[in-house]
Amino acid sequence: DSGVTQTPKHLITATGQRVTLRCSPRSGDLSVYWYQQSLDQGLQFLIQYYNGEERAKGNILERFSAQQFPDLHSELNLSSLELGDSALYFCASSFTAEETQYFGPGTRLLVL
Amino acid sequence: QQQVKQSPQSLIVQKGGISIINCAYENTAFDYFPWYQQFPGKGPALLIAIRPDVSEKKEGRFTISFNKSAKQFSLHIMDSQPGDSATYFCAPGGSQGNLIFGKGTKLSVKP
Repeated sequence: DSGVTQTPKHLITATGQRVTLRCSPRSGDLSVYWYQQSLDQGLQFLIQYYNGEERAKGNILERFSAQQFPDLHSELNLSSLELGDSALYFCASSFTAEETQYFGPGTRLLVL
Repeated sequence: QQQVKQSPQSLIVQKGGISIINCAYENTAFDYFPWYQQFPGKGPALLIAIRPDVSEKKEGRFTISFNKSAKQFSLHIMDSQPGDSATYFCAPGGSQGNLIFGKGTKLSVKP
């Protein structure tokens, strides 16, 4: 158990819909990262927050957005969902950007 | 762009053998070189990592070797066990912290 929690574990929705994935980092960790894992694209970095502020952006679509709240939990919002958005979404956390990243168990999203 | 190339894609090793996985990168700004292990249905977990100031690091049966001039690093698993069967990812990163994952190597250790 990494100490990072993600909810929900599974999510099934339809094309065009909007969903919110939630992540609670390990106690004391200030950085939160979101990654997407799919069969064709592998594990891809989406976005990073540090202590509430956006720190780095990767291959995140404009339909996707995220935020980190004052209690340091983070949410990833996916809108206008497409079939290709079906994937595993992982959250990771670290104390600072230079420290080890600990991954949560992931949220499996299926868009039908 | 493919910043990180990992090989082989899959690997079958007999119990007790040595598993070797390689990773080549392009970005010279990377200064953190970890290997992650992922079991089915789980998130990736850090296995071992190295900084560029050393060329080798050993933790138990796991060794990471780093060649800065060749922009390559590798994972060696000695005395491979069936419990090591998993997917392994190299994931170099820079000062901002975000990791760039390789495509993964699926390791199967046969008893």
